[in-house]
Amino acid sequence: DAGVIQSPRHEVTEMGQEVTLRCKPISGHDYLFWYRQTMMRGLELLIYFNNNVPIDDSGMPEDRFSAKMPNASFSTLKIQPSEPRDSAVYFCASSLGTFTGNTIYFGEGSWLTVV
Amino acid sequence: DAKTTQPPSMDCAEGRAANLPCNHSTISGNEYVYWYRQIHSQGPQYIIHGLKNNETNEMASLIITEDRKSSTLILPHATLRDTAVYYCIVRVFFNNDMRFGAGTRLTVKP
Repeated sequence: DAGVIQSPRHEVTEMGQEVTLRCKPISGHDYLFWYRQTMMRGLELLIYFNNNVPIDDSGMPEDRFSAKMPNASFSTLKIQPSEPRDSAVYFCASSLGTFTGNTIYFGEGSWLTVV
Repeated sequence: DAKTTQPPSMDCAEGRAANLPCNHSTISGNEYVYWYRQIHSQGPQYIIHGLKNNETNEMASLIITEDRKSSTLILPHATLRDTAVYYCIVRVFFNNDMRFGAGTRLTVKP
């Protein structure tokens, strides 16, 4: 079975440009997560969705960041305008929520460099 | 969710058991212990989880103390490919977010 699919795998963009990261969760999973990883801050949860509805976006760093999930098989994380400090690896993950706890499956990440 | 404490780094000889400790002294009765690992440049990978009983799967064993204040992840025969950062996370079962700490960087040496 296909895992969580992210695109692009690598992106280099100039400061001020809009960046859109894409994610396809595992089919049938009802939770989708966006994480960011940097050397300084480690792995941070940005936002997560349940059944396409945002549940907790308290980790979104600022208004330049936005995330959407228009349907069960697709989500985007957008940064507009991008800044050098946004350079990081962005991971998308999904899980099948169960009452007794669930495991989260991660994609391979999108490596973003803003110059 | 309860906070966890892990050593920042550990070494292990190839072929030997790797025992990774985690302290979670403030864990509450409805919180599970989860272990994930992240191999360089890859997304985190689920290893195992448990509530109060010891658990074993094809990857590892999880030993949880009787008072549940600490646990140990055991990789029975570590290989070079087990070199990674290992994260211990405690989480209320109905919380579906997973928040990661700094983890333990395990280096398996030949």
